[in-house]
Amino acid sequence: SYGLTQPPSVSVAPGQTATITCGGNNIGGKSVHWYQQRPGQAPVLVVYNDRDRPSGIPERFSGSNSGNTATLTISRVEAGDEADYYCQVWDIIGDHVVLGGGTKLTVL
Amino acid sequence: EVQLLESGGGLVQPGGSLRLSCAASGFTFTNYGMSWVRQAPGKGLEWVSGVTGSGATTYYADSVKGRFTISRDNSQKTLYLQMSSLRADDTAVYYCARVYGGGSIGAFDIWGEGTMVTVSS
Repeated sequence: SYGLTQPPSVSVAPGQTATITCGGNNIGGKSVHWYQQRPGQAPVLVVYNDRDRPSGIPERFSGSNSGNTATLTISRVEAGDEADYYCQVWDIIGDHVVLGGGTKLTVL
Repeated sequence: EVQLLESGGGLVQPGGSLRLSCAASGFTFTNYGMSWVRQAPGKGLEWVSGVTGSGATTYYADSVKGRFTISRDNSQKTLYLQMSSLRADDTAVYYCARVYGGGSIGAFDIWGEGTMVTVSS
């Protein structure tokens, strides 16, 4: 079955840029979605279809997808960005939603 | 306001059954695919099951296939998850989520607050 690989953790200083990757076989051929989940809260969609942002999500959040890696980039990181981030795709072979294992973003 | 509200969680013994509900409001329910996603304590998100807007097509994770059944009542704007033969590893917060843009598959743009299911003797 299709799998997605995310780094368990990423650390960044305030004001810097955080890069969170999501690896999968030819993931560039799929639409990738990203979620932010703060402790004790439900997930929030921050990027969909590789690079689109829902209404209300700051422009600091951006996405890209090519080859075997999709990337969520958070510019000018703030303390409030500290959360777990998950990538998601649809596996057309298995008719499944596939979620990455999640990346904990720590703002130093 | 667009909203999803889960209910029906609780403590159940191994091998038991439970039915979760998700009440939708603020949007035309029948136009949207819906899914259930769970999160075991201290773990990541795991997709459980999905259903198209009409209810005609359903999808299941391998871990729950044959044990869980997703359904919806569009007249009541409610999504359900019937869970049977429950195991300890089904213990999790269960979220219902709406598929963005009215499609059957895609990103989940609206999430409920979740309902906790604990499977234990």
